[in-house]
Amino acid sequence: NAGVTQTPKFQVLKTGQSMTLQCAQDMNHEYMSWYRQDPGMGLRLIHYSVGAGITDQGEVPNGYNVSRSTTEDFPLRLLSAAPSQTSVYFCASRLQGSNQPQHFGDGTRLSIL
Amino acid sequence: GQQVMQIPQYQHVQEGEDFTTYCNSSTTLSNIQWYKQRPGGHPVFLIQLVKSGEVKKQKRLTFQFGEAKKNSSLHITATQTTDVGTYFCAGQRGTSYGKLTFGQGTILTVHP
Repeated sequence: NAGVTQTPKFQVLKTGQSMTLQCAQDMNHEYMSWYRQDPGMGLRLIHYSVGAGITDQGEVPNGYNVSRSTTEDFPLRLLSAAPSQTSVYFCASRLQGSNQPQHFGDGTRLSIL
Repeated sequence: GQQVMQIPQYQHVQEGEDFTTYCNSSTTLSNIQWYKQRPGGHPVFLIQLVKSGEVKKQKRLTFQFGEAKKNSSLHITATQTTDVGTYFCAGQRGTSYGKLTFGQGTILTVHP
């Protein structure tokens, strides 16, 4: 199994550009989420989804959109990139229900100039 | 909203010394999870604690969950260079629809 696959691994954007970070999992996990990781701030939840067609906001949703048309895919869209969105982005998935561990992708390192 | 504070932010130890990181939540948790992230890598699940006062061990690692289910700790005995990385706690509330709130992480450096 591939687990959680994120693409691209690295990306440099100019301010104002848009892009989509891809995330796919092959474990049939219902729950998927996006985090950003910044130095000294841990992992902050951007958006999450409890199943296909259902998404909700996390702690830092502004400037990001998500959709969940299939169980496998959970793309994250930056509508108009800003330097403050320079970060490492992690996608994670897990089975539904409490007490389930999260499986993380390898991350996307995004720089906004 | 729920906050999870983790200390210290950094810890430098000599190989063979012990290491402890502490996690405190502003609210009662239904469970707490611990993750390890190697430099340049992604977080990897280590363990989950669910019961009040629970203690679990994984070789040299000891995890504790407080009686009030608001704090937790990870203790590593006799650190090795393979222990380097960032250790995160992540708390979940029963009403949070499965959302995990991560602590800021403790970056562990082990000097040989």
